[in-house]
Amino acid sequence: KQEVTQIPAALSVPEGENLVLNCSFTDSAIYNLQWFRQDPGKGLTSLLLIQSSQREQTSGRLNASLDKSSGRSTLYIAASQPGDSATYLCAAPWSGAGSYQLTFGKGTKLSVIP
Amino acid sequence: GAGVSQTPSNKVTEKGKYVELRCDPISGHTALYWYRQSLGQGPEFLIYFQGTGAADDSGLPNDRFFAVRPEGSVSTLKIQRTERGDSAVYLCASSLRPGGYNEQFFGPGTRLTVL
Repeated sequence: KQEVTQIPAALSVPEGENLVLNCSFTDSAIYNLQWFRQDPGKGLTSLLLIQSSQREQTSGRLNASLDKSSGRSTLYIAASQPGDSATYLCAAPWSGAGSYQLTFGKGTKLSVIP
Repeated sequence: GAGVSQTPSNKVTEKGKYVELRCDPISGHTALYWYRQSLGQGPEFLIYFQGTGAADDSGLPNDRFFAVRPEGSVSTLKIQRTERGDSAVYLCASSLRPGGYNEQFFGPGTRLTVL
């Protein structure tokens, strides 16, 4: 069974700081890894998807890396802004699940203090 | 183009009642997933459709839960005899094709509250 863990569970940083969110998974047989953002009471917004053959993806101030062999992914946010405050979730479809459903972590709740 | 839509956005019901939650996937997407997210948790898989058929319903918690997708597009998640523990956000996602390499796109969710 695939398990996804996100550390830390919560993070508070001052505006302008660079930060890293961590995601680890127990089974490296994944197709890709997705990072999502979730605002309170809202659905999931996809931020980045890294295919299993890739090492990283970038979108604006966001950079996500993937190391399948160590079972880790990181989401780097540069020059954080108060608008970045949200819960960040990582998820991966595992080849051991025939329906390719995503296995999610519990998320990291980020607060960026003005 | 339009994304995944879900209706209603909020549903409040009483214990023991029947509810239906609707998902409209992105047009042309053949794969459709339902997930359930409890407070403070990540979403958990419920059921997967490939076309019209439920290819994997292993995540449904019990036989009070059922889902259909009769024409391979819109899907309805049905919950009978609701219990307070069913309160959660129900999320729907679709992808263009089946397969782990295809990105899943999520709807805004339906927040179900069972009193």
